[in-house]
Amino acid sequence: DVKVTQSSRYLVKRTGEKVFLECVQDMDHENMFWYRQDPGLGLRLIYFSYDVKMKEKGDIPEGYSVSREKKERFSLILESASTNQTSMYLCASSLLAGRHGYTFGSGTRLTVV
Amino acid sequence: AQSVTQLDSQVPVFEEAPVELRCNYSSSVSVYLFWYVQYPNQGLQLLLKYLSGSTLVESINGFEAEFNKSQTSFHLRKPSVHISDTAEYFCAVTSSGSARQLTFGSGTQLTVLP
Repeated sequence: DVKVTQSSRYLVKRTGEKVFLECVQDMDHENMFWYRQDPGLGLRLIYFSYDVKMKEKGDIPEGYSVSREKKERFSLILESASTNQTSMYLCASSLLAGRHGYTFGSGTRLTVV
Repeated sequence: AQSVTQLDSQVPVFEEAPVELRCNYSSSVSVYLFWYVQYPNQGLQLLLKYLSGSTLVESINGFEAEFNKSQTSFHLRKPSVHISDTAEYFCAVTSSGSARQLTFGSGTQLTVLP
């Protein structure tokens, strides 16, 4: 089975800190995605990548950046964490075409204090 | 562009009762459809998917969904729910072809009561 691993399940950071959320997949998937999930708002796409060194903004990229230096790793960066970035962050990966659906990581619950 | 509407945000149901979680989509092209389940403090897991062929698809834990093209729906059903089915359920759609992204609905929280 494809495995998508997010480095932390729970994370607490202080306002203003630079935060790195790491995501690694082990099945050579081309596509990788970062979402945040908040009560009542569903899943909101932050950034996605279809190839190494490629990145595209999703629906809510403000305050975030990403890095994809290797095919298996897609990092989400909070340049200066703020309390409104307290959320559940979900990473997903998929094969080339949408018919395969996504495989999600277990999520990182980030609290910014 | 596609969109997905999950008509109910919360569905409470008693154990062993049947349940239907509704999903409607909007698309101008042929689609693939998915249901995902999310247990508390976990990521989403694929429950079942419709790509082509039989319009009724089943999961290993007793859920089924029926693709209805004329009504643009993909409702999820289970004839008898268990406490362990308590979770959030997401419907998702993508266009059949070279599309790479899924469009998700806003989710339905299913709570099974004893």
